[in-house]
Amino acid sequence: GIQVEQSPPDLILQEGANSTLRCNFSDSVNNLQWFHQNPWGQLINLFYIPSGTKQNGRLSATTVATERYSLLYISSSQTTDSGVYFCAARGRGSTLGRLYFGRGTQLTVWP
Amino acid sequence: DAGVTQSPTHLIKTRGQQVTLRCSPISGHKSVSWYQQVLGQGPQFIFQYYEKEERGRGNFPDRFSARQFPNYSSELNVNALLLGDSALYLCASSFQTDTQYFGPGTRLTVL
Repeated sequence: GIQVEQSPPDLILQEGANSTLRCNFSDSVNNLQWFHQNPWGQLINLFYIPSGTKQNGRLSATTVATERYSLLYISSSQTTDSGVYFCAARGRGSTLGRLYFGRGTQLTVWP
Repeated sequence: DAGVTQSPTHLIKTRGQQVTLRCSPISGHKSVSWYQQVLGQGPQFIFQYYEKEERGRGNFPDRFSARQFPNYSSELNVNALLLGDSALYLCASSFQTDTQYFGPGTRLTVL
C-alpha cells in the first residue's frame, strides 16, 4: 500500500505564530485528506485535497500531486488548534474507501 | 444533518470475550469503513463495505469480522479479545469514493 510520512512529529508554538505541516506520499493518489484529531479522539475533516490549493479561514492546504506531497498551513495559531493533525491518502487502484494514514503531527499551542 | 454515529462510546472487556461495535453512516452514504487506532499511531484500515458487500480488508486476523445492513449501518465484531485489541475503533462513511467522514469512535479497553 501507499506510504504516508508526516513531519514534524511534534510542533510547539506560541499563540499567534504560523506553522506548516508536511505530508509526503509514496505513490499517485486519488484521495488526500487532512484531519484534526481532538482530545476526545474525533477526527475532524479539514480538507479533501488530492490536488491544488484550498483555504478555509486561518487554514489552507496545498497538494502537489506530481511531486507527491501536501502542506497544511495554520496561520495565527490559537490554543484550540492544539491536537494531532493527520494526513491520509488513497492510492490509485487501492480498495475503495481505504485510507492510509501518517503517524500525525502533535501540535501544542501555548497562550 | 446528523454525522456518523457510533455506539457504545466506551467499552471494557476481559481477554477472551467478544465485542460488537456499531456504526450508523451519514444519511445517503452507502460506504462504511472501519479503522483501529492504537495509542500514538494513525488509524489502520480494518474493513470497507459498500452496498452491503465487503470491498476491502486490512491486515487483521479472522477474529475481526463485520457486516453491513440494508439501512447501511454496520457492525464490527471482534472475538477472543486480546490485550492488544485495546484501541479506539473508528467508523467512517462516504458517498462513494470521495471525502470520508469519521464518527466519534468507540474506545475499547481489554483487561
